[in-house]
Amino acid sequence: GQNIDQPTEMTATEGAIVQINCTYQTSGFNGLFWYQQHAGEAPTFLSYNVLDGLEEKGRFSSFLSRSKGYSYLLLKELQMKDSASYLCAVTDSNYQLIWGAGTKLIIKP
Amino acid sequence: IAGITQAPTSQILAAGRRMTLRCTQDMRHNAMYWYRQDLGLGLRLIHYSNTAGTTGKGEVPDGYSVSRANTDDFPLTLASAVPSQTSVYFCASSDSEGKGYTFGSGTRLTVV
Repeated sequence: GQNIDQPTEMTATEGAIVQINCTYQTSGFNGLFWYQQHAGEAPTFLSYNVLDGLEEKGRFSSFLSRSKGYSYLLLKELQMKDSASYLCAVTDSNYQLIWGAGTKLIIKP
Repeated sequence: IAGITQAPTSQILAAGRRMTLRCTQDMRHNAMYWYRQDLGLGLRLIHYSNTAGTTGKGEVPDGYSVSRANTDDFPLTLASAVPSQTSVYFCASSDSEGKGYTFGSGTRLTVV
C-alpha cells in the first residue's frame, strides 16, 4: 500500500530551528510537496522537490532523498506565526497526491 | 473569482437531507479533487476528476457523488446526509501532473 509517515506533533522555541521529517512508500514518485495549514484554514503551498537535494526558500528549506524515500522540512528563526500543521504529500506514478496526516508544530516563546 | 471558490462556508444539515457543496476554479486546471479532513486523520480523498467529463473514486467515496460537466465546476453531493459526514470539506485543483495544487477555503459541514 501507499504510506506517508510524519510525526504527529512537535514543539520548538521561538527563534530556534526545527526539522520535520517525512518518509514515504508509494507506487512511483513524481514529486514531493510540503504544505502549511493553520487551524481552521486551507493548506497553502510551501515547497516542491522532485530531484534529490535541498531547496531553500527564505526561512524554509526542504530536502529530498528519493533512494531513501525521505524528506524533511527545515524551519529557521522560528516565529510564533509558524505554529501550524505541516503536511507532506507525494505524487505517485498516476500523478495522484498521497497525503501524510500532518505534523502539528507548537512554538513556545 | 481568484483561484478556487467553495460554497457554502459552513452549513448545519439535518440527517437524511440532500446537500450539494459547490466548487469553482478559474485557473483552467484539468484536475479537481474533493477531500474531507477530520481531526487526527489528515486529508482523505473522496472523489477526483482528471479532466472534464471524467470522475474517479478516492479513498472514502461512499455516500458522496460528483460530476464534472465542465472544466471549472466540480460539485460534491451528499444524497442522504449522516452524522459521520460531519467534517471540513476541501476542494482542490491542479494541472495534469499534480503541480500548482491549490485548495479552496473549505466548507464546514455539521450533520445533526
